[in-house]
Amino acid sequence: KNQVEQSPQSLIILEGKNCTLQCNYTVSPFSNLRWYKQDTGRGPVSLTIMTFSENTKSNGRYTATLDADTKQSSLHITASQLSDSASYICVVIPNNAGNMLTFGGGTRLMVKP
Amino acid sequence: DGGITQSPKYLFRKEGQNVTLSCEQNLNHDAMYWYRQDPGQGLRLIYYSQIVNDFQKGDIAEGYSVSREKKESFPLTVTSAQKNPTAFYLCASRSSGRVSTGELFFGEGSRLTVL
Repeated sequence: KNQVEQSPQSLIILEGKNCTLQCNYTVSPFSNLRWYKQDTGRGPVSLTIMTFSENTKSNGRYTATLDADTKQSSLHITASQLSDSASYICVVIPNNAGNMLTFGGGTRLMVKP
Repeated sequence: DGGITQSPKYLFRKEGQNVTLSCEQNLNHDAMYWYRQDPGQGLRLIYYSQIVNDFQKGDIAEGYSVSREKKESFPLTVTSAQKNPTAFYLCASRSSGRVSTGELFFGEGSRLTVL
């Protein structure tokens, strides 16, 4: 069964610090991998998208990496801000997905002043 | 502005009642989805529709029903048969074409609480 595991489940960091969130998946072959940011009580918003052939993709202070050999992705947040407090969700789209995207359980990040 | 609108944002229901969650999009997307989100769990697919007047069950369709009479609208009814309906419900849409290329746009969600 296709699975996406994220770690840690939750994380607390101080404002200005960097952090890295992990996503391990068993989906194979896959077409692309996305990271979403979800503020509390809101819908997820796309941060990055990477195809299987890409290693890294940046969006401002967010940088996603992908290692297709080890089936791991990470999301690195630089110089964290209070507004980064949210859940971050990893989504893997298989090649033959139809409409069955596989979502990770998310990492809940809290940035404290 | 183009987007997806869900309503209501918060809904309380007594046991045994059916409730309907609204989802409207003006993005001209063919495909629409309903997901359920529970704390600490990934989003789970309830139903999806790739075209008007057609929809398919997802992983957890029992106790739910949908309709797709218009391209813009994909309402979800949570029936009394759903044993644990308290959750956050998310509607999403995607442009036509392969799911591998089309980004999924989400609504703001509806939180349903059963009293």
